[in-house]
Amino acid sequence: GNSVTQMEGPVTLSEEAFLTINCTYTATGYPSLFWYVQYPGEGLQLLLKATKADDKGSNKGFEATYRKETTSFHLEKGSVQVSDSAVYFCALTTRGSQGNLIFGKGTKLSVKP
Amino acid sequence: DTEVTQTPKHLVMGMTNKKSLKCEQHMGHRAMYWYKQKAKKPPELMFVYSYEKLSINESVPSRFSPECPNSSLLNLHLHALQPEDSALYLCASSLRGGGENTEAFFGQGTRLTVV
Repeated sequence: GNSVTQMEGPVTLSEEAFLTINCTYTATGYPSLFWYVQYPGEGLQLLLKATKADDKGSNKGFEATYRKETTSFHLEKGSVQVSDSAVYFCALTTRGSQGNLIFGKGTKLSVKP
Repeated sequence: DTEVTQTPKHLVMGMTNKKSLKCEQHMGHRAMYWYKQKAKKPPELMFVYSYEKLSINESVPSRFSPECPNSSLLNLHLHALQPEDSALYLCASSLRGGGENTEAFFGQGTRLTVV
């Protein structure tokens, strides 16, 4: 079956540090890949996406590249801010799944000033 | 506008009550979803509506009853819930269900507490 594995948190960083959150997937066919962010007490916001191999999604300084050979979609940011503190979810959908999102368990990021 | 609006934001209900959660989007999306999220867990899919027809029901108990009156609205009717049903209920929509452009846009959720 389809699944997403992402690094367990929590992750604690100082402001301006480099961020990497690892995400790997297992899927039949060619999935679309997403990163969602959830701030405390809120719903999920789409952060970025990639729909085919070697695509790079980017938004608000975050980047992730769809790596088919390693089945990975790692999230990176060069310099995190306190306002980036949130839970980050890696997710995928596949054709024929009717848009059903398969989520990883989520990684909580805390950024200290 | 990429907004999905959910009401109410918070709901406390007794185990014998009947209540409804509402969700609305005006992005022209034809797929709408209900997810349930427990604390410190990822969202879990409950239902998918595609072109106003129920296309996925993830073995959800009958005390949860979805309804899609039109392409912009999605309701979740609640009846005789249990305390373990307390959770954040998230509505989402996407342009279509399946294929490309399936990124889903989520509402802020309804925080449900069953007492």
